[in-house]
Amino acid sequence: QVQLVQSGAEVKKPGSSVKVSCKASGGTFSSYAISWVRQAPGQGLEWMGGIIPIFGTANYAQKFQGRVTITTDESTSTAYMELSSLRSEDTAVYFCSSGYSGYDDTYYYYMDVWGKGTTVTVSS
Amino acid sequence: SYELTQPPSVSVSPGQTARITCSGDALPKQYAYWYQQKPGQAPVLVIYKDSERPSGIPERFSGSSSGTTVTLTISGVQAEDEADYYCQSADSSGTVVFGGGTKLTVL
Repeated sequence: QVQLVQSGAEVKKPGSSVKVSCKASGGTFSSYAISWVRQAPGQGLEWMGGIIPIFGTANYAQKFQGRVTITTDESTSTAYMELSSLRSEDTAVYFCSSGYSGYDDTYYYYMDVWGKGTTVTVSS
Repeated sequence: SYELTQPPSVSVSPGQTARITCSGDALPKQYAYWYQQKPGQAPVLVIYKDSERPSGIPERFSGSSSGTTVTLTISGVQAEDEADYYCQSADSSGTVVFGGGTKLTVL
């Protein structure tokens, strides 16, 4: 089964950008649906966007459009999430996940393997 | 976009049955998924496609769907089931939504 290893914790200034990586091993990276989900302290899960490497086009939550970029490097089985114009409200744990997307009778999209999360702190 | 609504909390005694609901207007047309999250840990998928259980998830976890409401049922609740539970769905454009989460307390 695929395993996901995320990059380490980051401390950033307001207005700057952060790029978090997520390296996959043990599976067919290019065919999985890779998602990024964040969780602010004491809050729920919030989907930011996702990408299927073999297709290459990312899909973003409306809230983050224009501020987040999700990319993949198939040569290293690594996904990246870059968030720009950081503000204090972006302080959160950022998770990557891999899962499945497609159709049987109905469209499906779910996340069955998760990274341990990367803490991003935005503070002046 | 659409919303998924969960009760903030559910409490149950050990050995009893816990039911956690998730409501949303789009659910009759979309699958629902459930995740368990314990403090300081990443979420774990416990139900996919409304009622399918991933390998390794105990049989006491089950899911069902009726109209605009999906339900996660945990039969014979154990202390280790105390956690936050999130429902999730996705539309055909690939936009994913999570419910607000339900804290399950085992009394």
